[in-house]
Parts: sequence; C-alpha cells; structure tokens
Amino acid sequence: DAGITQSPRYKITETGRQVTLMCHQTWSHSYMFWYRQDLGHGLRLIYYSAAADITDKGEVPDGYVVSRSKTENFPLTLESATRSQTSVYFCASSDLEWEQFFGPGTRLTVL
Amino acid sequence: GQNIDQPTEMTATEGAIVQINCTYQTSGFNGLFWYQQHAGEAPTFLSYNVLDGLEEKGRFSSFLSRSKGYSYLLLKELQMKDSASYLCACKREAGSYQLTFGKGTKLSVIP
Repeated sequence: DAGITQSPRYKITETGRQVTLMCHQTWSHSYMFWYRQDLGHGLRLIYYSAAADITDKGEVPDGYVVSRSKTENFPLTLESATRSQTSVYFCASSDLEWEQFFGPGTRLTVL
Repeated sequence: GQNIDQPTEMTATEGAIVQINCTYQTSGFNGLFWYQQHAGEAPTFLSYNVLDGLEEKGRFSSFLSRSKGYSYLLLKELQMKDSASYLCACKREAGSYQLTFGKGTKLSVIP
C-alpha cells in the first residue's frame, strides 16, 4: 500500500540499549522528518532530511542519530536510550512546503 | 526562537461553533498551519495561511493576522468526530520545510 509506515509501532527497551525506529514512504517525497511528542511539549522536530544523504538537526537532536541512504527510508537511532527518550515518535514526509504527511507513530518506552 | 501559544483545552456543544486561537512570536514567519490529531493517531493537515485573511474549507476556516501574530481555527456545525487536538504550527521562512508546533488544544465536543 502507498503511504508512510513506521515500525515497530510499540517498543519497550532498557536504559543504555540501542534502538532503531524505521520509517518508510512510498511517495518518493524529498523531505522526511522525525518528531517526538510528549505531554506538555507538543510535537518537537528531532532531525529532518531534504534528500538522500542530506540530513540536518532540528530542535532536539541530542541522543539521536539519523541516516538516509535511500529516498524512501529514514531510520532514527537512539544509540544509548535514556528514560527521557520515552515518547511517541512520528515520522513525516513532504514534497510541499505547506503539507506534511505523518506516519502512525511509534510508542517507545525506556525502562 | 519561536513561541506559539494556544489554549490547552476547550469544550463545545455538538452543532455549535468554536474558535481556537493561536498566537505566535517568531524570529521569522512564512506561514501558519493547523493540524488535527485524534487521540492515538497521527496529525493530519487542515489548513495553511501565509497571507492575512480568512481561508474557508467546508466546515473549517482559518484566519491569519501577521501584524498581530494571531491566527484562529473556526469549526462550524460541530460534530462528535471533531473531538480531537488541534495543533497550530509556524514556518519560519520561505523555502523552509521546518515547522514549529504549539502544544495543541484538546477540543471535546459534548452532546
């Protein structure tokens, strides 16, 4: 099916472990984004990518790593997970300045 | 930096009209967005204003005043399915795909 998907949808991990959240889109959109959503903070941009092999930091990049070797994939890695990274993570993609399409989200719990 | 304020919660009656306000203070501004997010789901795009004035789209309208740093989302003929969070977001500059989101307004529609 066309669209934007995220995996896993739910993940429980422990402090200090490495975790990778996957994002895949089938529209060939140039731009992709990673956000986290926390109660009291709203959506905050972690990293974004304008094209394959081009990534840049957003508002809250510390503790996260991204890569984009293919246009359709934009994985987000937490190299050493901390409890403060417990959150809902949304991936989004866009080819227009005025509209972003969001994936269904990944709910991550770090114990 | 960017500061975006919107009420935390609102309640309105089915069939009524509700206005959700958003004020912003930004170092640069090139557009204001409204997204709808049902509980447990991804945000979906509602509207985009870059010029002053009212944009109407069915039961939903969005207004922008750049000089006042103010926007509102107007929902008419409220339906129970309109119960959701409404997210206000700003784009800093033309050509940029980065959005900064407010914390969202949770709207509850009651019978």
